[in-house]
Amino acid sequence: GAVVSQHPSWVICKSGTSVKIECRSLDFQATTMFWYRQFPKQSLMLMATSNEGSKATYEQGVEKDKFLINHASLTLSTLTVTSAHPEDSSFYICSARRGSAIYNEQFFGPGTRLTVL
Amino acid sequence: TQLLEQSPQFLSIQEGENLTVYCNSSSVFSSLQWYRQEPGEGPVLLVTVVTGGEVKKLKRLTFQFGDARKDSSLHITAAQPGDTGLYLCAGEKTTDSWGKLQFGAGTQVVVTP
Repeated sequence: GAVVSQHPSWVICKSGTSVKIECRSLDFQATTMFWYRQFPKQSLMLMATSNEGSKATYEQGVEKDKFLINHASLTLSTLTVTSAHPEDSSFYICSARRGSAIYNEQFFGPGTRLTVL
Repeated sequence: TQLLEQSPQFLSIQEGENLTVYCNSSSVFSSLQWYRQEPGEGPVLLVTVVTGGEVKKLKRLTFQFGDARKDSSLHITAAQPGDTGLYLCAGEKTTDSWGKLQFGAGTQVVVTP
């Protein structure tokens, strides 16, 4: 199977600081990566689609200036939560798309637990 | 409203029993995937179905894709405590680009010894 890593796995920060989360596809190239947010006992909420070498596409209601996404290479995408506040505390999960001519599959990272004090 | 409706939301059964989780929509999907997620971890891909009427088996798990590619089911035979987790279905709409997935709300399955 395809392996996706995330770093850090958890982070605690003070309100007003910025936090960067990395997502890497370890054994395949991913032209497209996705960032999700998940609240306790709820499903995944797509935040944005990240394409290598171009600007990310954000879902409705997600602040572009708040959640900065950079997809610098075929194996790395980063999500920066700027000026974090307690309401940004959540479980952030990335996924990487491994496509084929017929269908695509998404492989998920282990997630990053962000707690903003 | 969720594009993919999963039912039931919660299922608690005894070890050895069978269970079925359903995933329904009014939209057509080019592919549909099932994931299992455990607390504090990312979802793990179980299977991808792409052909209407397709049936795939993964040990005690049987996955079916509806003929019209609008619905799917997951059946677990002789459930074990290790099957406990949040089961998520996710579909790629034929009209969406970049492989964006629509997720169901999930079914929490608890298997007690």
